[in-house]
Amino acid sequence: DIQMTQSPSSLSASIGDRVTITCRASQGISNDLGWYQLKPGQAPKRLIYDASSLQGGVPSRFSGSGSGTEFTLTISSLQPEDFATYYCLHYHYYALTFGGGTRVEIK
Amino acid sequence: QVQLVQSGAEVKNPGASVKVSCKASAYTFTDFPHYYIHWVRQAPGQGLEWMGWIRPTTGDTKYAQKFQGRVTMTRDTSINTAYMELRGLTSDDTALYKCVRVSTGWYLDYWGQGTLVTVSS
Repeated sequence: DIQMTQSPSSLSASIGDRVTITCRASQGISNDLGWYQLKPGQAPKRLIYDASSLQGGVPSRFSGSGSGTEFTLTISSLQPEDFATYYCLHYHYYALTFGGGTRVEIK
Repeated sequence: QVQLVQSGAEVKNPGASVKVSCKASAYTFTDFPHYYIHWVRQAPGQGLEWMGWIRPTTGDTKYAQKFQGRVTMTRDTSINTAYMELRGLTSDDTALYKCVRVSTGWYLDYWGQGTLVTVSS
């Protein structure tokens, strides 16, 4: 089974900071990866699909990159509403594999 | 607006089974053959864990290897409801269980509110 290793597990950042979250796949997964944002009490929100495509309605400060085994989610300028937990998600052969999650907290 | 409404919280003894329901509204299972219902769980302080899916139009299922033999996913199309049954519960199964609709392009577009299952003697 493919494993998705996400790092860091948590980070503290200030408003306006550039934030980068990484997911590494245990083997090549092409670009079959998405990024989701989870906030308590709210429906999870897809930010990125197919590794680098921005979901409609998502601010352009979010971007995704990578292919194969290494992927990144970047928030170019952290905003107050961005404090949340982020997950990468690999979809393959009709199954899903989540990364471990990254909690983004206020410094 | 599509909604997935799950059954209420459960407290179970170790070794017992639990069956969680997920009722869909504002769309009909049988009208959308490419929409699947997946189940994920999140244990306290842990990340999301995928358990498997059911294709409501056909009843086809696929389970994560970890849960093979212990989980069964079913559906009742007459009431637009999916079910997830987990057997042989242990304290490690204490978690918030969520159903998720997955649409075209592997888009997890609608989530249930979650059902807290607590396993304790």
